[in-house]
Amino acid sequence: KAGVTQTPRYLIKTRGQQVTLSCSPISGHRSVSWYQQTPGQGLQFLFEYFSETQRNKGNFPGRFSGRQFSNSRSEMNVSTLELGDSALYLCASSTTGDTDTQYFGPGTRLTVL
Amino acid sequence: AQSVTQLDSQVPVFEEAPVELRCNYSSSVSVYLFWYVQYPNQGLQLLLKYLSGSTLVKGINGFEAEFNKSQTSFHLRKPSVHISDTAEYFCAANSQGGSEKLVFGKGTKLTVNP
Repeated sequence: KAGVTQTPRYLIKTRGQQVTLSCSPISGHRSVSWYQQTPGQGLQFLFEYFSETQRNKGNFPGRFSGRQFSNSRSEMNVSTLELGDSALYLCASSTTGDTDTQYFGPGTRLTVL
Repeated sequence: AQSVTQLDSQVPVFEEAPVELRCNYSSSVSVYLFWYVQYPNQGLQLLLKYLSGSTLVKGINGFEAEFNKSQTSFHLRKPSVHISDTAEYFCAANSQGGSEKLVFGKGTKLTVNP
C-alpha cells in the first residue's frame, strides 16, 4: 500500500506571497492532520480534517487554512507569507483519526525569503 | 493541556552500547503514547505505540518502551545500537477526547559513534 505523499517536496517563496501544499493520504484513510516543524518550536499541530470537515484546530493564525476533498486528499494554504513560516510541513493520515496511529508523509520544506 | 517532555536534547553513544531516551508526559486522563523516528530530510516513522494492555511495548528495529503510569514516563530503550540508528527521536501523546491531535516532545538527537 502506498504511503502518504506530499507535493511539492520543496518550495521557495517570498514574503507576502501565498502557498498551497498538497497531501494524499494512505488509501482508505479518512483523517488528515497537518503539522509544522521548526527548529525553535518543534512539531506543532495545525489542523485535522475528517470527511471534508475540519475537526480539530491548533493555535495558528487565520493565515493558515486547509481543506479536504471527497477523495480524502487535503490541501493547506498559507496566505501573506512571513519569514517565520519557513518550516517543514508534515501531513499525517489515519483511518478514523481519534486515537488511531498517524502515518506521516515526507513533508514539504517551505523557505520564505 | 497535554504536554510531553523529552529530557535529553542530544544523546551520543558508541555502537553496540545500550541506550535509553527519556520521555515524560502530563495528563489527567487516559493517554496514548508514541515514539517516532525522523531520519534527515524525511518524515516521521512510527517506532512503537502504547494504547493499553501490557506496559512493555516492542517496536521496530529492536526498540522497546515501557509505560509507567505512576511516574508518567514512556522511556525508549534499545540494548545495542547501530550506526544506522543515528536520527532524531520524538515522543508524542494523544489524550482521549483531546482537541489537539498528537502533542510532541522537542525531540532527542541520537548519535551513534563507531
